[in-house]
Amino acid sequence: DVQLLESGGGLVQPGGSLRLSCAASGFTFSSSALTWVRQAPGKGLEWVSLISGSGGSTYYADSVKGRFTISRDNSKNMLSLQMNSLRAEDTAVYYCTKAVYSGSWHLDYWGQGTLVTVSS
Amino acid sequence: SFVVTQPPSVSVAPGKTARITCGGNNIGSKSVHWYQQKPGQAPVLVIYYDGDRPSRIPERFSGSNSGNTATLAISRVEAGDEADYYCQVWDSGSDHVLFGGGTKLTVL
Repeated sequence: DVQLLESGGGLVQPGGSLRLSCAASGFTFSSSALTWVRQAPGKGLEWVSLISGSGGSTYYADSVKGRFTISRDNSKNMLSLQMNSLRAEDTAVYYCTKAVYSGSWHLDYWGQGTLVTVSS
Repeated sequence: SFVVTQPPSVSVAPGKTARITCGGNNIGSKSVHWYQQKPGQAPVLVIYYDGDRPSRIPERFSGSNSGNTATLAISRVEAGDEADYYCQVWDSGSDHVLFGGGTKLTVL
């Protein structure tokens, strides 16, 4: 079975940094694109970033570009999201997802999420 | 950039068919994917590429996409279908994954 387990969430002050991780299993990790999607409390889903299987291609939402960096370690089946210059509006549950492409990306498996709270 | 719109809420009686729409300029030219999210849980993919269904999803869930509107249909609605539903597209022009704002399905 596909499993995605996020970690690294917590409370951070505005302007601070945090690194999220996602441990994956149950599929061919190095062949699979992955994404981060977030959901602010009581709000809808917002895509954050996508990385290709090799790690050679990355995409970011405009709201996080220049502040967040997505990366992966295919030797450890691990996805990461480095978040810098955090703002109150970055407060959300962050989900790691597996992504599939055939003319369009869709997200076929999701982790349970990790909560990031940005507050002083 | 491309904008995807959904009605905030839809209500349906048990046993009837619920239809949730997802609008966008010529969205019929894109592939639309749908996710179900129950309270306190992670989203689950229920329809991909307009009308394909993962094997774990009941046949009661179906999808269509034409013109400016994509539709998720849930037939013989049950209380357990009560959830938030999100549509999603890939905007190749901006290289962005885009979600609709979500629709809360209430089973009366």
